[in-house]
Amino acid sequence: QQQVKQSPQSLIVQKGGISIINCAYENTAFDYFPWYQQFPGKGPALLIAIRPDVSEKKEGRFTISFNKSAKQFSLHIMDSQPGDSATYFCAASIQTSGSRLTFGEGTQLTVNP
Amino acid sequence: SQTIHQWPATLVQPVGSPLSLECTVEGTSNPNLYWYRQAAGRGLQLLFYSVGIGQISSEVPQNLSASRPQDRQFILSSKKLLLSDSGFYLCAWSVRNTGELFFGEGSRLTVL
Repeated sequence: QQQVKQSPQSLIVQKGGISIINCAYENTAFDYFPWYQQFPGKGPALLIAIRPDVSEKKEGRFTISFNKSAKQFSLHIMDSQPGDSATYFCAASIQTSGSRLTFGEGTQLTVNP
Repeated sequence: SQTIHQWPATLVQPVGSPLSLECTVEGTSNPNLYWYRQAAGRGLQLLFYSVGIGQISSEVPQNLSASRPQDRQFILSSKKLLLSDSGFYLCAWSVRNTGELFFGEGSRLTVL
């Protein structure tokens, strides 16, 4: 019940295209859903996060869509750029109880010029 | 502002040798501290976490141990490294009960 399933494992997108990464969870108690971006040889960094009281959050070219009934959330990268090439991790936790983040397995995104 | 320092950045060690990776956090008090391992550049495996000095919880049985001698210091150790200990080790911290995690730059360990 603590799993977060992420897909696809890898994604290749042309410059200017839309990158979409999906995650699904089982634990309905999760109340915090962040996305992390990791460049090769670096630690992951928080990209954007959402709470279940909203269905969408947008920050620049990055948007999280959240579907509470389906227990799914996704990251959309609009106008994808080669500089967006990185590994992306979704995660979930129960903030009210201070639980640790449960991470998805990661998606390696390559944006071709 | 808060910062996290992790060292060494790269380490090549022979099988059977000891290991010590160190992590310190600045600009915050009473953080939760974590050690993750990332194999093959992909998934993040939580190894240890700590909610206070001397309080260590282990997520998976392994050849490694962790210690927290000071509030903002977290150390990952091994007495005898195995080939399977190779990987990218990440230290992270969080403000308690927020869930938001901040990672260090990582330490690349190669065991030969």
